[in-house]
Parts: sequence; structure tokens; C-alpha cells
Amino acid sequence: GAVVSQHPSRVICKSGTSVKIECRSLDFQATTMFWYRQFPKQSLMLMATSNEGSKATYEQGVEKDKFLINHASLTLSTLTVTSAHPEDSSFYICSANFGQGNTEAFFGQGTRLTVV
Amino acid sequence: GNSVTQMEGPVTLSEEAFLTINCTYTATGYPSLFWYVQYPGEGLQLLLKATKADDKGSNKGFEATYRKETTSFHLEKGSVQVSDSAVYFCARHNTGFQKLVFGTGTRLLVSP
Repeated sequence: GAVVSQHPSRVICKSGTSVKIECRSLDFQATTMFWYRQFPKQSLMLMATSNEGSKATYEQGVEKDKFLINHASLTLSTLTVTSAHPEDSSFYICSANFGQGNTEAFFGQGTRLTVV
Repeated sequence: GNSVTQMEGPVTLSEEAFLTINCTYTATGYPSLFWYVQYPGEGLQLLLKATKADDKGSNKGFEATYRKETTSFHLEKGSVQVSDSAVYFCARHNTGFQKLVFGTGTRLLVSP
């Protein structure tokens, strides 16, 4: 099956700094990728849809200036958490669609962000 | 609106017990339905899926049948193993929309 790689898997940063998370489709081209946030013992919350070559589409309540998304190529989307605060600590997961009708989602391994 | 409801966990079972995790959905149209599994500290893996009514998805001994009349997609396994301990997410999307809507997840704990 298709492979989506997410990096880093774990990051600790100081409050006020910015952190970039990468999501790569390794063996296919992904015009659309999705970024999710998962709180402890909770479900995934879709944050935004990343579109190659255009602006991301953010879900209601997600601050676009806080969570910057760039999808500059068909195999890479990045999520930058700007001026991170402890409340941004979470598990972030990306996915990319593949397959017939481009409807099957493949997920990255996730990134555990801890802001101290 | 469109949503997915699944039973709250944790579900605690002994090895070789029968597993059922209930999932129901509301949706307009005919969504594809999915079960994803998340092992500790990892992303989600597709476990099985069904794209139309009466389809049965199956993988690794797990099964789920797309029941349009009851809008359900319950996950079952005849004999669970300790290695099945994980969080299971039911999800749906509508054809053409590509977005997934997830249930809250159900944690399964299997003891030896």
C-alpha cells in the first residue's frame, strides 16, 4: 500500500518557538493532504486540508496564523506551529489520499509535540 | 449532520474472547465506511473498509458488515489476542468529499 512518512515523530520545544512537522507521500503523489490533532484519549480532530499549489482550507475554530500549512510539492506538506505554547502540546497526524477515486486515506506515524 | 458514533471504552477482554465494537453512522448519501486501528504512540492504520451496503470488510480476523437498514458497521472478531490491544476508530466519508469523519475511538485491552 501507499506510504506516508511524518517527521519528526517526537519533538520538545520551548514556549514561544516555532516547530515544523513534515508529511511526505513516499511512493505516490498527493494533491491533497490532511492534518489532524489528537488530544489524549480522544478522537482525531481535522484541522485543515492541505492543497498542493494553493492555500490550505482550515476547519472552523483552527487559527490559520497559528498553524501554518504549506503544500509546495505533490509529495510534501508541512505544518508549522508558530509561537508554540503548552496548550499546543498534542499528537499531530497527517494523511494523504490514494487509490481509486483518490479516496483511501493513508496516515503518517504521527508527531508528539511537547511545549515546555 | 454527518457523524459517527461508537461505543465508549475501554473494552476489557480475556484472550480468545469474542469482540464486538458497535458503530453507527448518520449520513446523507452512501458513505464508504472504515475501521482504523491505532497502536500506542503510532498513527492510524486502515483495518478494513466497505464501500456499499451489505459489503463485508475483513482483515486479520476482524470483520464488519455495512448495514444500511440499521446504519451500522459493527466490528467483530471471534477470538482476540493480546496483540489486538489498541484503539479502534470507526470512520466514514462520502464519495467525492475525501474527508474522513471519525468516531471517538474505543480502547481495547486484552489480557492473557
